[in-house]
Amino acid sequence: GENVEQHPSTLSVQEGDSAVIKCTYSDSASNYFPWYKQELGKRPQLIIDIRSNVGEKKDQRIAVTLNKTAKHFSLHITETQPEDSAVYFCAADQSGSARQLTFGSGTQLTVLP
Amino acid sequence: DAGITQSPRHKVTETGTPVTLRCHQTENHRYMYWYRQDPGHGLRLIHYSYGVKDTDKGEVSDGYSVSRSKTEDFLLTLESATSSQTSVYFCATKLGAAGDTIYFGEGSWLTVV
Repeated sequence: GENVEQHPSTLSVQEGDSAVIKCTYSDSASNYFPWYKQELGKRPQLIIDIRSNVGEKKDQRIAVTLNKTAKHFSLHITETQPEDSAVYFCAADQSGSARQLTFGSGTQLTVLP
Repeated sequence: DAGITQSPRHKVTETGTPVTLRCHQTENHRYMYWYRQDPGHGLRLIHYSYGVKDTDKGEVSDGYSVSRSKTEDFLLTLESATSSQTSVYFCATKLGAAGDTIYFGEGSWLTVV
């Protein structure tokens, strides 16, 4: 099955700096790569996603890049703000009928004021 | 958030007792999933369903069973709860096509003592 590795597990940045989180996946048949943000005690919520026919996608301060050849994808957050502090999860869908998601182990991002 | 309701939201139970968690959705989504979340492991898939009475195992299915008798309800049963099943359980749903957004419920906190 799919295996998703995520790095780093913790990341601290100064407010206004950029943050980058990287993930690798194993299943070459994966073609959908979402990123979720989870605040303490809350549900994971989708912040951005990318499909395999696209190399990069941006939404305001958030961008995701995908390299299918190398099987890795990254989340970039620019001009970080304290409210960006949360746990971020990458995921990749699995081949098969349900296209279920396999998640990375998460990155705790702390934005220091 | 796809109208997903989980119940109970919090439960403390004793080792060896059966426990059932319920996920109810109002969006007529075809696919439903149960994940568990533990520190350092991210979200791991327990079971999933791709239609009424159609279910399959995820990566951590031992000790769990599921049922889906109606489109809107997906039940997760711990047949004989153990302390290792203390976790946060998230239900998730997806409309249908590959690459559709997966939405999460608010989570159920289960403690087995």
